[in-house]
Amino acid sequence: NAGVTQTPKFRILKIGQSMTLQCTQDMNHNYMYWYRQDPGMGLKLIYYSVGAGITDKGEVPNGYNVSRSTTEDFPLRLELAAPSQTSVYFCASSPTTEAYEQYFGPGTRLTVT
Amino acid sequence: GQNIDQPTEMTATEGAIVQINCTYQTSGFNGLFWYQQHAGEAPTFLSYNVLDGLEEKGRFSSFLSRSKGYSYLLLKELQMKDSASYLCAVRDRDYQLIWGAGTKLIIKP
Repeated sequence: NAGVTQTPKFRILKIGQSMTLQCTQDMNHNYMYWYRQDPGMGLKLIYYSVGAGITDKGEVPNGYNVSRSTTEDFPLRLELAAPSQTSVYFCASSPTTEAYEQYFGPGTRLTVT
Repeated sequence: GQNIDQPTEMTATEGAIVQINCTYQTSGFNGLFWYQQHAGEAPTFLSYNVLDGLEEKGRFSSFLSRSKGYSYLLLKELQMKDSASYLCAVRDRDYQLIWGAGTKLIIKP
């Protein structure tokens, strides 16, 4: 049981490039989330999904897109990367929104230069 | 706006007790969470409070007062491995988690 996995672990992008951060969970959770964590700041919700085919914006969605074609996968797409997107990105999942906890992936450390 | 406040950094001694406070102002309240995050790692769940009072789980306890918008995490018998950041998060009326910036806890021998 791998839990929540994310790839890549690290990535350096040039300004204007695009990339997809991958997230997969094997716990059959309906709810999945993408957060970013900047130094000295709390986690900020980018997008979330309540099930396959359903996604919604969080607090900081600009510059990102998501899709949820299966229960397991929830990729995050960065278009036209900007230095402000330099951050650590965490994917998380939970069985329901009322569930006590969210299970986090190991994170992707992204630098845009 | 929604806001969660916790101290930026705290220092404690191995074997001692430390209390990390969290105050919040959110749009609605559907529970308060504490997560532990070691440097360079993902957050991991520690505790959940939705009713007033103390929840105890081994060396860790968490307290909630909804009327005061206040919680604390109490860590007893501190060990070096407890050196980490402790994140307070509140689930608002839309069931979204609002996160504090975290408290970095440094344990000294």
